[in-house]
Amino acid sequence: GENVEQHPSTLSVQEGDSAVIKCTYSDSASNYFPWYKQELGKGPQLIIDIRSNVGEKKDQRIAVTLNKTAKHFSLHITETQPEDSAVYFCAALGGNTPLVFGKGTRLSVIA
Amino acid sequence: DSGVTQTPKHLITATGQRVTLRCSPRSGDLSVYWYQQSLDQGLQFLIQYYNGEERAKGNILERFSAQQFPDLHSELNLSSLELGDSALYFCASSVGLTTGELFFGEGSRLTVL
Repeated sequence: GENVEQHPSTLSVQEGDSAVIKCTYSDSASNYFPWYKQELGKGPQLIIDIRSNVGEKKDQRIAVTLNKTAKHFSLHITETQPEDSAVYFCAALGGNTPLVFGKGTRLSVIA
Repeated sequence: DSGVTQTPKHLITATGQRVTLRCSPRSGDLSVYWYQQSLDQGLQFLIQYYNGEERAKGNILERFSAQQFPDLHSELNLSSLELGDSALYFCASSVGLTTGELFFGEGSRLTVL
């Protein structure tokens, strides 16, 4: 089945700097790659996603890139703000299996 | 607010006991998923139901079972509880069978003493 690896597990950045989180997946049949943000005491919430027919997608300060050949995808957050502090999960969907999540990255934005 | 409701929010029980976690999906969503979140283990998929039928199974222990009722709410039953079952249990819902976007509830935190 699908396996998703996510790095780093923790990330601290200064406010205004960029943050990058990277994920790899194992199943070449996977075709949908969402990113979820989990704030303290809440459930994960979708923030951006990308499908396998697209290489990059941007939404204001966040962007996701996908390299199908290398089977990796990344989340980029620019001009980080304290409210970006949260746990971020990447995930992959392929075939008939539900979303498989990475282990998460705890992002801390230091003011 | 995702529209997914989970009860109870917190639950403390003893080893060997049995508990039931409840989930009401978003209005119109036919799929319900259960995930377990333990420290440093991310979100582990347990089981999926679609319109009342089991559709996918993940790393769900035999001591755990679930069902989805005709009104589409779902229950996750955890029995013969062990200390290691302490975790956050999330329910999520989606419109279709294999759609990507999941809407998560706020979770049920289970503590086994």
